[in-house]
Amino acid sequence: EDQVTQSPEALRLQEGESSSLNCSYTVSGLRGLFWYRQDPGKGPEFLFTLYSAGEEKEKERLKATLTKKESFLHITAPKPEDSATYLCAVRRLTGGGNKLTFGTGTQLKVEL
Amino acid sequence: GAVVSQHPSRVICKSGTSVKIECRSLDFQATTMFWYRQFPKKSLMLMATSNEGSKATYEQGVEKDKFLINHASLTLSTLTVTSAHPEDSSFYICSARIPGTAYSPLHFGNGTRLTVT
Repeated sequence: EDQVTQSPEALRLQEGESSSLNCSYTVSGLRGLFWYRQDPGKGPEFLFTLYSAGEEKEKERLKATLTKKESFLHITAPKPEDSATYLCAVRRLTGGGNKLTFGTGTQLKVEL
Repeated sequence: GAVVSQHPSRVICKSGTSVKIECRSLDFQATTMFWYRQFPKKSLMLMATSNEGSKATYEQGVEKDKFLINHASLTLSTLTVTSAHPEDSSFYICSARIPGTAYSPLHFGNGTRLTVT
């Protein structure tokens, strides 16, 4: 069974204090690993897709990386507006259809 | 901008009544849409896959008679929670994939907060 574990569960940062969120996964053949941002009371907003180990994607202050067992979401010099829950999900290569398996997320709060 | 629209965003209903939630794809046709459920501090759980013109596919443990899914057109899927009970209170989110490669990501609606009293 596919599994996704995210850590830490919650993270408080000062504005400008860079850090990383972790997503460990177990899947029988990875089709894609996805990062989403979710604001309170809203649906997840797509950020990145990573397909193979060694791949990196960047968007503004966010950078996602992928290894064979985990993915990191690096946040450089965060701002209060980066506060949200960040979700990681995997989709398997075969046998899973279109199903995404999600982690429980990391709740990030960036303070002034 | 949003690619998936969901309505209503919030609904409160009495126990025993039914509630319908709509999910629309904007500016693209979605032959398949996905319905998720999210409990506080829990991961999103796929409930069912909605297929245009055919029956929905339900995940194990999801009651198809309680959660009725209709995908009558290429841009609209509906989820009806029948005879709702307080334990059905949750955050329901639909999603769809913009047609393209098999690797395109899911885009989510803004969710519906259902409270059953």
